[in-house]
Amino acid sequence: TQLLEQSPQFLSIQEGENLTVYCNSSSVFSSLQWYRQEPGEGPVLLVTVVTGGEVKKLKRLTFQFGDARKDSSLHITAAQPGDTGLYLCNDYKLSFGAGTTVTVRA
Amino acid sequence: DVKVTQSSRYLVKRTGEKVFLECVQDMDHENMFWYRQDPGLGLRLIYFSYDVKMKEKGDIPEGYSVSREKKERFSLILESASTNQTSMYLCASSGGFSYNEQFFGPGTRLTVL
Repeated sequence: TQLLEQSPQFLSIQEGENLTVYCNSSSVFSSLQWYRQEPGEGPVLLVTVVTGGEVKKLKRLTFQFGDARKDSSLHITAAQPGDTGLYLCNDYKLSFGAGTTVTVRA
Repeated sequence: DVKVTQSSRYLVKRTGEKVFLECVQDMDHENMFWYRQDPGLGLRLIYFSYDVKMKEKGDIPEGYSVSREKKERFSLILESASTNQTSMYLCASSGGFSYNEQFFGPGTRLTVL
């Protein structure tokens, strides 16, 4: 049973559109990391959020950590084909979610 | 440039064979991890190690063992491979703190026939 729930499982959008993926748990996160994995490669860290209510921006990516530290979201503005990949959330005590596969069509 | 390397990208073995997957990191990290990745299930932790000769079971240790004789090397062993161990295996390492970044290798796709 996955203790970290990620949704949606798959997302396919056109270049230039926005998207949001979610990570939720019934337990409080100690901290939360978001990784992106491209085909044939291992995951690479995008961001770590630690404080409830925290918002971090990384170029076109915006990460939010819920006030209660039980949920997080990743929003991508004006998605590009290079954003294609598997997005994984991780709490070191709860391990990894199953991920959201994002495909951005040119 | 930090690096985690895994001994093979692709491996095909037969049921009952003993399989060794090797992982080496060059960052002097204390922590090392072995995961398996299956579609729809994400990454599941098999074993981790926080120091030389130390190991801890993860979520799915059954059928696997590990060895860490040197700080930079962490080996995953399948004593008697079975078809349900066909999967992508990922090794990672991280520094001392619990929420430090994990650096991953490229993975080994193991097929057990």
